[in-house]
Amino acid sequence: DSGVTQTPKHLITATGQRVTLRCSPRSGDLSVYWYQQSLDQGLQFLIQYYNGEERAKGNILERFSAQQFPDLHSELNLSSLELGDSALYFCASSVANTRLGYTFGSGTRLTVV
Amino acid sequence: GQQLNQSPQSMFIQEGEDVSMNCTSSSIFNTWLWYKQDPGEGPVLLIALYKAGELTSNGRLTAQFGITRKDSFLNISASIPSDVGIYFCAGQVNAGNMLTFGGGTRLMVKP
Repeated sequence: DSGVTQTPKHLITATGQRVTLRCSPRSGDLSVYWYQQSLDQGLQFLIQYYNGEERAKGNILERFSAQQFPDLHSELNLSSLELGDSALYFCASSVANTRLGYTFGSGTRLTVV
Repeated sequence: GQQLNQSPQSMFIQEGEDVSMNCTSSSIFNTWLWYKQDPGEGPVLLIALYKAGELTSNGRLTAQFGITRKDSFLNISASIPSDVGIYFCAGQVNAGNMLTFGGGTRLMVKP
């Protein structure tokens, strides 16, 4: 157990629908990062939050949004889902100003049918 | 922006063989990290490197921080079936900066 908790582990939904993925960071970590991984490809950075504020944005579609709540958990919202959105979505967390890297959760596998 | 070129993209080897993979960058990083992703799981940190020229081992794994600070290497000796997975390098300029990930090396081991 890495300490980063992602729910649900699997999600199957239809095109056009909206889903919410949830992440609880490791205790003490203020930064949360969201990544998308399609078909065992590389890790595509989506967005970072630090202590409730958006810190950095990557290749995140306008249909996708995220937020980090006062208790530091984060949610990634995916709307108007398309078949191509099927992927593994990872959340990672880190402490501030670290050189220790990120700790990843075990991911949410989203299948859009 | 910064990019990390990781090679090879995939390797299919016989159990017991040694494995080498590397990451190169056009810009300098002051921290290099190597992660392993088991099938269906999240990446897990294997080795962290903080100083140019540093050589660090973790069991059968050895990683090196290149002298130019623009590359890093990971070697796995005497591979076993559980080494199967995707290996990612990551570079960081300074503490607090974002990590830049390589595209991954997929390792397959034939028993």
